[in-house]
Amino acid sequence: KAGVTQTPRYLIKTRGQQVTLSCSPISGHRSVSWYQQTPGQGLQFLFEYFSETQRNKGNFPGRFSGRQFSNSRSEMNVSTLELGDSALYLCASSLEVLPDTQYFGPGTRLTVL
Amino acid sequence: DAKTTQPTSMDCAEGRAANLPCNHSTISGNEYVYWYRQIHSQGPQYIIHGLKNNETNEMASLIITEDRKSSTLILPHATLRDTAVYYCIVGSGTALIFGKGTTLSVSS
Repeated sequence: KAGVTQTPRYLIKTRGQQVTLSCSPISGHRSVSWYQQTPGQGLQFLFEYFSETQRNKGNFPGRFSGRQFSNSRSEMNVSTLELGDSALYLCASSLEVLPDTQYFGPGTRLTVL
Repeated sequence: DAKTTQPTSMDCAEGRAANLPCNHSTISGNEYVYWYRQIHSQGPQYIIHGLKNNETNEMASLIITEDRKSSTLILPHATLRDTAVYYCIVGSGTALIFGKGTTLSVSS
């Protein structure tokens, strides 16, 4: 069974731009969560989606948003990029909602210049 | 904030058992203990989880104390490929809150 895939793997943007990251969960998984990882803050939870509905949200500004489609694929969007948004963005999928076991993708490395 | 406390780093000789401790003194009755690990520049990998009883799978064993205030992850025969950051997480029904984890260095 294929694992969680994330596209693109690497991305370079400039301040003020917006970006969309994509995540395809493991087949059959209905929950998708997003995390941001930086050297200073570590792994931080962004949000969780289940059946196209946002179920949980972390403590991030409204510039960070996401959505989930009927096939469980998910996208997250960051608008008005700031230098501090440079990070590894990780997507994780699970069969059911948390606390079900999560399987992580390889991440998208975003660099904001 | 993370509800767990782990040592910052540990060393282990290849072939020996690696015992990684975790304190979670404020754990609630319905909260699980999860262990994930992250090898450099990769996404975290699930290892094992448990509620009250000790658990074992092909990767590791999880020993939870009777009062559930602490646990130990055991890698029975550590290899160089087990070098990673190991995260102990407590949670139920909400987001997984990752702490700083323990950096395990396995050397030959």
